[in-house]
Amino acid sequence: DAGITQSPRHKVTETGTPVTLRCHQTENHRYMYWYRQDPGHGLRLIHYSYGVKDTDKGEVSDGYSVSRSKTEDFLLTLESATSSQTSVYFCAISRGGPGDTQYFGPGTRLTVL
Amino acid sequence: QQQVKQSPQSLIVQKGGIPIINCAYENTAFDYFPWYQQFPGKGPALLIAIRPDVSEKKEGRFTISFNKSAKQFSLHIMDSQPGDSATYFCAARPSNTGKLIFGQGTTLQVKP
Repeated sequence: DAGITQSPRHKVTETGTPVTLRCHQTENHRYMYWYRQDPGHGLRLIHYSYGVKDTDKGEVSDGYSVSRSKTEDFLLTLESATSSQTSVYFCAISRGGPGDTQYFGPGTRLTVL
Repeated sequence: QQQVKQSPQSLIVQKGGIPIINCAYENTAFDYFPWYQQFPGKGPALLIAIRPDVSEKKEGRFTISFNKSAKQFSLHIMDSQPGDSATYFCAARPSNTGKLIFGQGTTLQVKP
């Protein structure tokens, strides 16, 4: 357990609505990541952060935005959810630098109808 | 574009068998190759990892074999147990970055 919580754990929403997922860590680590997991694709990086207000895009960032105003919280926002964003979303942290092992949270299952 | 290809997609073995999961990568600029284990409803957890200057690494019943020239690496699970039933992901990290590129995953079932 790397002190990572994700909320909500499950969410069902409708196409076109905004959705925000929260990742909270208790250990003040600098590096945080958002992934999505889909069958046949493994995990794919959406966005990552290397500090407060410092974020960058991953390989599947279209349709997603992130914010990090505090070290402990990394928010993922779907501005207008689409059915293709139905997925399981995982947050991860690196305890040391960016090259250190990534530890994952429990995930959020999002269904967009 | 997927740069790490993992096979097989699923695998069933008997208890005590040695399942082997293979991964191949397309980019030579990777400096770290971890394997993650994931149980249903849980996040992935690091199982074992290797760097490209090493050809093999063992931790308990888990072994990574790495072939740099072939750009392939594999996970072997010795004396597999029903408790090893899980989904396994290989990954590769582009040099000097914190990003991970994952394979598609392998669902392993170990029958009693």
